[in-house]
Amino acid sequence: AQKITQTQPGMFVQEKEAVTLDCTYDTSDQSYGLFWYKQPSSGEMIFLIYQGSYDEQNATEGRYSLNFQKARKSANLVISASQLGDSAMYFCAMTSYNQGGKLIFGQGTELSVKP
Amino acid sequence: EPEVTQTPSHQVTQMGQEVILRCVPISNHLYFYWYRQILGQKVEFLVSFYNNEISEKSEIFDDQFSVERPDGSNFTLKIRSTKLEDSAMYFCASSERYEQYFGPGTRLTVT
Repeated sequence: AQKITQTQPGMFVQEKEAVTLDCTYDTSDQSYGLFWYKQPSSGEMIFLIYQGSYDEQNATEGRYSLNFQKARKSANLVISASQLGDSAMYFCAMTSYNQGGKLIFGQGTELSVKP
Repeated sequence: EPEVTQTPSHQVTQMGQEVILRCVPISNHLYFYWYRQILGQKVEFLVSFYNNEISEKSEIFDDQFSVERPDGSNFTLKIRSTKLEDSAMYFCASSERYEQYFGPGTRLTVT
C-alpha cells in the first residue's frame, strides 16, 4: 500500500527566506509520481509541481523546487524567497502508474509566512 | 488558461436527500476524478473515470455514490441518500497525463 507522511503540522518562515516542507513516501511500485498542492484558506487545491520516479533531475517551477531523494523515499518541497501569499496548507501526494492514477495525500503542512 | 469548474460552490441538503455535484473538466483531458476533504482532514480519493467507465473506486465510494459523464463536457457525482458524515468539500480533478488539476470544490453540508 502507498503512504505519504508529512511530519510537520505547522511551519513558520520569515518573508523572503527559503523554507523546506518535508514529505516521505512509501511504495513498492517502480513507476510513480509525486506532487505538491497548495490549499489557501479559500479552499481550492492549486497544483504546484510534479516529479516522476524516473526523472533524474529535480523538478522546478518558478520559486518551487522538489528535492527528490529516491533512495530515501523523500520528496521535499523547497519554496525560495517566501512571500506573504505563500501562507497556506501544503499537501504532498503520490500516484502509482500501475494503479490508475489516483492521488494519495499526506496530512498536510500549514505554512505561515511572517512579515 | 483552461480550468476545472464545479457547481454549486456550496450545497446544503437534508439527510436522506439526493444531491448531484457537477464538474466541467478541462476540455482535452481524458482522466477524471472525484475526491473529498472532510473539514480539517486530508484529501481522500473517491473514484477515477476513464473512457466512460469507472477505472478505480475507494472503499468510501459505496452504492450510495455514482458518477456519470452525461455529455462531452460534464462529469457528475451523485449521492443518493445523503448522511451527516457526507458533509465535506468535494473536489473534481482532471488530467491529460500526470498532473491533476482540481476544481474549486463544492462544499456539501448535510443537516
